[in-house]
Amino acid sequence: EAGVAQSPRYKIIEKRQSVAFWCNPISGHATLYWYQQILGQGPKLLIQFQNNGVVDDSQLPKDRFSAERLKGVDSTLKIQPAKLEDSAVYLCASSLDRLASTQYFGPGTRLLVL
Amino acid sequence: DQQVKQNSPSLSVQEGRISILNCDYTNSMFDYFLWYKKYPAEGPTFLISISSIKDKNEDGRFTVFLNKSAKHLSLHIVPSQPGDSAVYFCAARPTGTASKLTFGTGTRLQVTL
Repeated sequence: EAGVAQSPRYKIIEKRQSVAFWCNPISGHATLYWYQQILGQGPKLLIQFQNNGVVDDSQLPKDRFSAERLKGVDSTLKIQPAKLEDSAVYLCASSLDRLASTQYFGPGTRLLVL
Repeated sequence: DQQVKQNSPSLSVQEGRISILNCDYTNSMFDYFLWYKKYPAEGPTFLISISSIKDKNEDGRFTVFLNKSAKHLSLHIVPSQPGDSAVYFCAARPTGTASKLTFGTGTRLQVTL
């Protein structure tokens, strides 16, 4: 069974630029999550989708971050414009459904904002 | 406000010995707890979990203990192996909020030969 796929694996941009990350969850998983992991901290949930609908985006900085999962499968997370403090690893995870306790993580995208 | 705390940033254990990783939480609404393991340049991998109705769950070399009154859980690895060297994250989920997880800051375990 293929795992959660993410691209790109690394990205370096200058502040005020925009960037987008892509995630393809495990086939059949209805719930998709985006996490931000800043160095030395645990992953922090940014947004959770159930199929193509948003379940929780309470910790998403909506002035600069956006995410979509239009067809209920893969998802894109965008930052526009980026700030220095956005430097982090962005992790995508998926689970069978919103009640499933186990989330499966992708390898993450490491973002460096200069 | 750090609701899930892992106060030891790192731990070094000899191969064959027991590794004990600790986690404390403050939110009484947490009812399900998980441990994830993370290797460099990889995403976290689910390791073991425990529901608040239990005080112990075992899976091979890994055992998780939960002390609800102390709001404390621990992960025991016996015997420790070099391949166990990784960062371990404790995570917790509140009742009634589907699968929203709150993670601790992680403990880096190094198992030495």
